Amino acid sequence: SQQGEEDPQALSIQEGENATMNCSYKTSINNLQWYRQNSGRGLVHLILIRSNEREKHSGRLRVTLDTSKKSSSLLITASRAADTASYFCAMVPGAGSYQLTFGKGTKLSVIP
Amino acid sequence: DSGVTQTPKHLITATGQRVTLRCSPRSGDLSVYWYQQSLDQGLQFLIQYYNGEERAKGNILERFSAQQFPDLHSELNLSSLELGDSALYFCASSAELAGGQETQYFGPGTRLLVL
Repeated sequence: SQQGEEDPQALSIQEGENATMNCSYKTSINNLQWYRQNSGRGLVHLILIRSNEREKHSGRLRVTLDTSKKSSSLLITASRAADTASYFCAMVPGAGSYQLTFGKGTKLSVIP
Repeated sequence: DSGVTQTPKHLITATGQRVTLRCSPRSGDLSVYWYQQSLDQGLQFLIQYYNGEERAKGNILERFSAQQFPDLHSELNLSSLELGDSALYFCASSAELAGGQETQYFGPGTRLLVL
């Protein structure tokens, strides 16, 4: 299965600290995306990184991709209480395939 | 707001019943995807439509079916409902860009509870 594995499953940090979440996957990918989900709500797209990219930034978010290790990480810097949510990595398996395969997510709690 | 709308927001029904979930994609998006999120299975891809045609199928049960209409809205039909079908059902849409490197935009979901 292409399903990603996020690590850790849950993370609790103080406001202002950095949060790092990792995602590993099993087979080759076209691109990898990170989504955020506030409790019981819809998913919000955060960032997309292509298989030929190694790092991407968006505001306080930094995503890295290591295709040789089949892993990606999401770093949220200077966390805020509003960052409290579940974070999912999602893979697009290959060219011509568009459906996302999600990992089980990391539940982030940012304590004010 | 992603621009994707889903109705209804909540649905409570009984086992054996049939329900229809509706999704309107973002303006201009031709692809619609359906996902199911449950506690035990996580987020799973069900089915994708592109411009009215079925493009890809995932872990969709035979009791479930979907279609995309000429105005590009989509409906997911769930029949002979079982307790285990209780879940959040998401619709997502995307524009078809070259190489398939597109973002999927998710709707707020429909929460289905089967009693």
